[in-house]
Amino acid sequence: EAAVTQSPRNKVTVTGGNVTLSCRQTNSHNYMYWYRQDTGHGLRLIHYSYGAGNLQIGDVPDGYKATRTTQEDFFLLLELASPSQTSLYFCASSDGTGGGQNTLYFGAGTRLSVL
Amino acid sequence: GQQVQQSPASLVLQEGENAELQCNFSSTATRLQWFYQHPGGRLVSLFYNPSGTKHTGRLTSTTVTNERRGSLHISSSQTTDSGTYFCAIDQTGGYKVVFGSGTRLL
Repeated sequence: EAAVTQSPRNKVTVTGGNVTLSCRQTNSHNYMYWYRQDTGHGLRLIHYSYGAGNLQIGDVPDGYKATRTTQEDFFLLLELASPSQTSLYFCASSDGTGGGQNTLYFGAGTRLSVL
Repeated sequence: GQQVQQSPASLVLQEGENAELQCNFSSTATRLQWFYQHPGGRLVSLFYNPSGTKHTGRLTSTTVTNERRGSLHISSSQTTDSGTYFCAIDQTGGYKVVFGSGTRLL
């Protein structure tokens, strides 16, 4: 089972604050993803990446930056946090190779509250 | 972009009953997978099933790609099956994975 570790698990910040969410995967997967989960919306894709230095825009990117510094590490940055960004954030990784298999493996999630 | 619709939004069963969860998507060039979210929030993969039928235990995933639909069948449901089930799709040749809104099973 692929290992994906998110930190912190919980975070509280104020409106206008800066927040960085971290994700590390230890299985040399090519693809990494950031999702947010809100009641009634399922998981919505913020950003994703297929390798160090690469960034692809997801479906709800406004207000978020992301950076893939290494094969293992993918960061989500909220530079001016707003209450609308209060959510449960998930990171995931996938191999993305081997005949097209693209099973996602998820971290435990980070619960962010913006007051 | 890709659209993914799941139904029903919620489902209440008596233990022992069967359940059929539906997933419809907007493109035929699509790979489908199913996830289960524990009540505590953890997400786990159930099936990666681009086409055809796959079984594991009491779960069966069926994907009919040219009809743009998939289903997850749960037989003889148990209280431990409670949680939320998501389908997700990504287009063949691409790796953007988009989720449906989920089916909450109780």
